Amino acid sequence: AQTVTQSQPEMSVQEAETVTLSCTYDTSESNYYLFWYKQPPSRQMILVIRQEAYKQQNATENRFSVNFQKAAKSFSLKISDSQLGDTAMYFCAFMRQAYQGAQKLVFGQGTRLTINP
Amino acid sequence: NAGVTQTPKFQVLKTGQSMTLQCAQDMNHEYMSWYRQDPGMGLRLIHYSVGAGITDQGEVPNGYNVSRSTTEDFPLRLLSAAPSQTSVYFCASSLSAPINQETQYFGPGTRLLVL
Repeated sequence: AQTVTQSQPEMSVQEAETVTLSCTYDTSESNYYLFWYKQPPSRQMILVIRQEAYKQQNATENRFSVNFQKAAKSFSLKISDSQLGDTAMYFCAFMRQAYQGAQKLVFGQGTRLTINP
Repeated sequence: NAGVTQTPKFQVLKTGQSMTLQCAQDMNHEYMSWYRQDPGMGLRLIHYSVGAGITDQGEVPNGYNVSRSTTEDFPLRLLSAAPSQTSVYFCASSLSAPINQETQYFGPGTRLLVL
């Protein structure tokens, strides 16, 4: 079974600093997808960034980028020039190749990130 | 586009009551799903649908029913609420069937308390 582990329950940085959130996962599959979702106090789940396992190039989305290490099964999220609006719970998620029709996301436990003014 | 909408935002039920959580999307997405989020457990898939008229069970389906009569709507029914169903419920949708691995978009969530 696939598992996703986020080892940092909470993190706190000053505004404008760079912060990296860690995520490791366990799978025997070679083709899969990884995501970072942001959940602000409004509770809505917002897609931050997505990475296809077959792509060697790390995904980037404005101030957000990932460091994808497939052999190490590591998928960290880097937030540059952090802003107060980045304060949220961040979830790392894994999605495997379609299996029995279920497009199932496996989520980590989450990291609560606080950006301080 | 409104995206994925859910109603109500918050609901209190007594044990044994039934209710329906509404979910709608206006993006013409074929795939829709329901998750529940519990502290320390991330999100778990309850039911999903790959298109109108087609539904199937996810990881934790017991106590819940779904139907998909239209592409836009995917309601989740609690048949007889139990305290173990106290949770935050998220509806999600994506453009196409699982084989295309489309990104899922989440609604704002419904917080349910069962007394």
